[in-house]
Amino acid sequence: EPEVTQTPSHQVTQMGQEVILRCVPISNHLYFYWYRQILGQKVEFLVSFYNNEISEKSEIFDDQFSVERPDGSNFTLKIRSTKLEDSAMYFCASSVGATGNTIYFGEGSWLTVV
Amino acid sequence: GDSVTQMEGPVTLSEEAFLTINCTYTATGYPSLFWYVQYPGEGLQLLLKATKADDKGSNKGFEATYRKETTSFHLEKGSVQVSDSAVYFCALSPGGGTSYGKLTFGQGTILTVHP
Repeated sequence: EPEVTQTPSHQVTQMGQEVILRCVPISNHLYFYWYRQILGQKVEFLVSFYNNEISEKSEIFDDQFSVERPDGSNFTLKIRSTKLEDSAMYFCASSVGATGNTIYFGEGSWLTVV
Repeated sequence: GDSVTQMEGPVTLSEEAFLTINCTYTATGYPSLFWYVQYPGEGLQLLLKATKADDKGSNKGFEATYRKETTSFHLEKGSVQVSDSAVYFCALSPGGGTSYGKLTFGQGTILTVHP
């Protein structure tokens, strides 16, 4: 079965450093998403992306975050200047369409900011 | 805003026991409701979904019915197996269009099934 793949699976970074988390969505999918889960807390929506632009974003997704689809296969989340509170599991997801379609999640990238 | 509340875990059961994991929600409009499962070392997988009131989602022996009158979407399985041990997440989508993928999740319930 097709799957969403994410790299790296785990990254440790120093506070203030830039981090790029990478995702390869399922090949025929058109909608892309990032979520995060801080340890012990709920999975939270960050952003959705369609037709090369952000379609929805949460209040968490502030100016330090950006997303990009640099080529036909990758979808990246950049955190410009990491803070301790950015330590979390980041999930990428994709769906072929919007309403009614299944949203497929990757295994997550665990980010630790020290 | 939208919210989802799941029963507190962890839940520990013996094999072949009956499972219920409660989920209630608060939302405006007509949300779609989902159960996702996360097995150890894997991503979130859609277990089942329901898109309108009174719909029943089912998969792999699990069922959940969308109850608008009680704003609930409880997950049930008649006879659990050790392989069902995982974390279960209830989630809602606010509606159609660009908001569809803006899922709101519950806190997750850890299920452990012993032989």
